[in-house]
Parts: sequence; C-alpha cells; structure tokens
Amino acid sequence: GAGVSQSPRYKVAKRGQDVALRCDPISGHVSLFWYQQALGQGPEFLTYFQNEAQLDKSGLPSDRFFAERPEGSVSTLKIQRTQQEDSAVYLCASSLVTGLEQYFGPGTRLTVT
Amino acid sequence: GENVEQHPSTLSVQEGDSAVIKCTYSDSASNYFPWYKQELGKRPQLIIDIRSNVGEKKDQRIAVTLNKTAKHFSLHITETQPEDSAVYFCAASLNSGAGSYQLTFGKGTKLSVIP
Repeated sequence: GAGVSQSPRYKVAKRGQDVALRCDPISGHVSLFWYQQALGQGPEFLTYFQNEAQLDKSGLPSDRFFAERPEGSVSTLKIQRTQQEDSAVYLCASSLVTGLEQYFGPGTRLTVT
Repeated sequence: GENVEQHPSTLSVQEGDSAVIKCTYSDSASNYFPWYKQELGKRPQLIIDIRSNVGEKKDQRIAVTLNKTAKHFSLHITETQPEDSAVYFCAASLNSGAGSYQLTFGKGTKLSVIP
C-alpha cells in the first residue's frame, strides 16, 4: 500500500513568512508524529497525535510552531514568522499500533533565507 | 528525559565483513528500540526493532541485541554489501499508557562498505 507522503518536498521561505507542511499518514494509522532533522543529526521529536488528539507537544521549540490533525488523518505543521534556525527537514511518521513501528515520510526540506 | 548515545559516528568496512554499531540509553524505563537506515536525501527506513522482553532478534543478515542491565543495544550486519552503505540511527522509546511513544534518536553512524 501507499506509504506516508508529505508535501511540499521542498520549501523556501523568506524570514518572517508563515509556512504550512502537510503529512498524509498510512491509511488506518492511529498515531502520527512530527520530527525535525537538522543536517547531519538524528530526527528530534516535535509533537504526537493519537487520532485527532494532540497528546504531546513538548518538543515544539516555540509558540511559532503549531500542529493539527482535525479529522484524525491528514496533519499540518505550521510555522509562523519563520526564522533561519527553522531550516531543517521536517519528517512525519505514522504507526498502526501506538508508538511501535513508526514509518516515516520523505520529509519536507525547509530553507529559510 | 531519554538520552541515546551512538558510536562510532563513521564506520568503514570491506565488502563481506561484519559491521557493529552500538548505542546506550539513559532511561531504564525505555522498552522499545528500533533501528533505521537513511540513505542520502531519503526517508528513514525501519530495518529492525526489539522490545525489552527480548534479548536478541535476527532478520537475515541483520541482528539486534539488547542488554537491559547495561542499558545498551547493538546492530550487527553480516556479509556487508555496497548497498548497505547509509547512515544508521538507533532510537529508544517508552511504550506505555503514560508515555507519548516518541522516539529519541542517536546521532547516527555513517557506514561505508568498500567493494
């Protein structure tokens, strides 16, 4: 079946612009995670949804970051007033059984100029 | 919170040799340990995982071992092939009703298999 998909794959934003990143999880997967991956580093946790409920947002770096999953399927990560330090690859992952076997999407590479 | 240390950061082996990557974790409550392979510009790909009630798991040329007492786990790749070249990440998480199941990743090991 289809894997996790993300769009756009690449996004260039000028400092101060708002961006929205989309994640389509594997159909039927209850859990959805967002991670941020800086160049040459491992992914770092941002936030977690179980169905439409955001159960953990402890990894969001500032109140400029906001995520939602209103119908328990597609999720959007929004970054307001982007800063250069926001430049990274944003990865989405989903899992059928909560937490186990997380399958990643291809990521969105965000570059803030 | 959980902290995962991974080493070595780079590893070069001759084709056909074995490769071993080691990770340690800090939170004794962690109970799920996956390994991911990430090729340049690609998504992390789950290659094997182990839960804390198991000491070893094997899948063809790949095996993972877990030592709960010492809080470390290792990835073993035998008969390495050039297509095994990639960055490998270990991770740990707490899967329980009280946790968010987030993965904490190591910094990665760049494996190069020399033909």
